[in-house]
Amino acid sequence: DAKTTQPNSMESNEEEPVHLPCNHSTISGTDYIHWYRQLPSQGPEYVIHGLTSNVNNRMASLAIAEDRKSSTLILHRATLRDAAVYYCILSTSGTYKYIFGTGTRLKVLA
Amino acid sequence: GAVVSQHPSWVICKSGTSVKIECRSLDFQATTMFWYRQFPKQSLMLMATSNEGSKATYEQGVEKDKFLINHASLTLSTLTVTSAHPEDSSFYICSARLNPDGYTFGSGTRLTVV
Repeated sequence: DAKTTQPNSMESNEEEPVHLPCNHSTISGTDYIHWYRQLPSQGPEYVIHGLTSNVNNRMASLAIAEDRKSSTLILHRATLRDAAVYYCILSTSGTYKYIFGTGTRLKVLA
Repeated sequence: GAVVSQHPSWVICKSGTSVKIECRSLDFQATTMFWYRQFPKQSLMLMATSNEGSKATYEQGVEKDKFLINHASLTLSTLTVTSAHPEDSSFYICSARLNPDGYTFGSGTRLTVV
């Protein structure tokens, strides 16, 4: 299974942009890059996903490197409600299993 | 959006008893569902994959006789923790695969075995 590497934790000030990196050097050509976040005592919730091109939605933007070996989740203006663990996951072609890495615990400072 | 309803949200049981956790897909059919376990401050660990109408596929190291998974319909999957012990205390989360891609997760069940 292709693996992802993320920093264990990051801090951001409220109202400032946050860039959460993810390395996935063993990604295969058909793997999608998914981002989910988990608030305390809740199940993960979908944030964004992409294949090759950068993606934008209401919650965030996803910037994917040209070689696809890394990606960055961008929260344009962090709020206290964005404090969560953010997981970068590759969809494993053929098995459809999600293998969670350690994720990045984002702390937002008021 | 597609929602998976998971119940109960928390449960306390005595050691040696069994506990059933339910996950229902609302407004969509879930052919494939997944069960995860999460210990405090740790990531989600995949326990098993269940496909409607067939036996679940368990990940290495997960006891199939202890964690019984039933996926008898396209909208319901259940996880039964049999003969629960304190070390089974954990946060259990289900998820359903969406077409064409992506997953939706239940809100989780916190199990405490005393």
